[in-house]
Amino acid sequence: EAGVVQSPRYKIIEKKQPVAFWCNPISGHNTLYWYLQNLGQGPELLIRYENEEAVDDSQLPKDRFSAERLKGVDSTLKIQPAELGDSAVYLCASSPGQGNEQYFGPGTRLTVT
Amino acid sequence: GQQLNQSPQSMFIQEGEDVSMNCTSSSIFNTWLWYKQDPGEGPVLLIALYKAGELTSNGRLTAQFGITRKDSFLNISASIPSDVGIYFCAGQQPGTYKYIFGTGTRLKVLA
Repeated sequence: EAGVVQSPRYKIIEKKQPVAFWCNPISGHNTLYWYLQNLGQGPELLIRYENEEAVDDSQLPKDRFSAERLKGVDSTLKIQPAELGDSAVYLCASSPGQGNEQYFGPGTRLTVT
Repeated sequence: GQQLNQSPQSMFIQEGEDVSMNCTSSSIFNTWLWYKQDPGEGPVLLIALYKAGELTSNGRLTAQFGITRKDSFLNISASIPSDVGIYFCAGQQPGTYKYIFGTGTRLKVLA
């Protein structure tokens, strides 16, 4: 069974530029999460989807961050415009359902210069 | 954001030694997960715990769901060099389905 797929693995952009990350969850997993991981810290939740519905986006900085999961499978996380402080690893995870264990993708390492 | 306390923050051990680490909180949780993360990779799920007092093993790893529901423990027996990495706990808040992650324990093994 294929795991969670993320692309790109690495991205370097200049500040004020837009950037997008893509995630394909494990087949059949209805719940999808986007996390932010700063260096030396644990992941912090940005947004959680149940199928195509964002059920928890309370920690998503909505002035510059947006996310979508239009058909309830793949998801895209966007930052526009990026700031220096956005440099981090962006992790996607999926779960068979709420309350179940989560499986992570390899992450996208973003560097904003 | 909120993070759970993990102890120790880092540790050096000799190959073959047993390792113990824990995760504590002032809040109760419904589920505890333990992950291992290697450099440049995403966290890999090691063990999931669903009931207070539950003790679960995965090879040389054993984890326990604390009886108070506010803590969890992970033990690694007979450590080997590939155990090097960062271990994270994650607790699921009741009624929210949201996981809060710990600050991590960095394990370094001396061959």
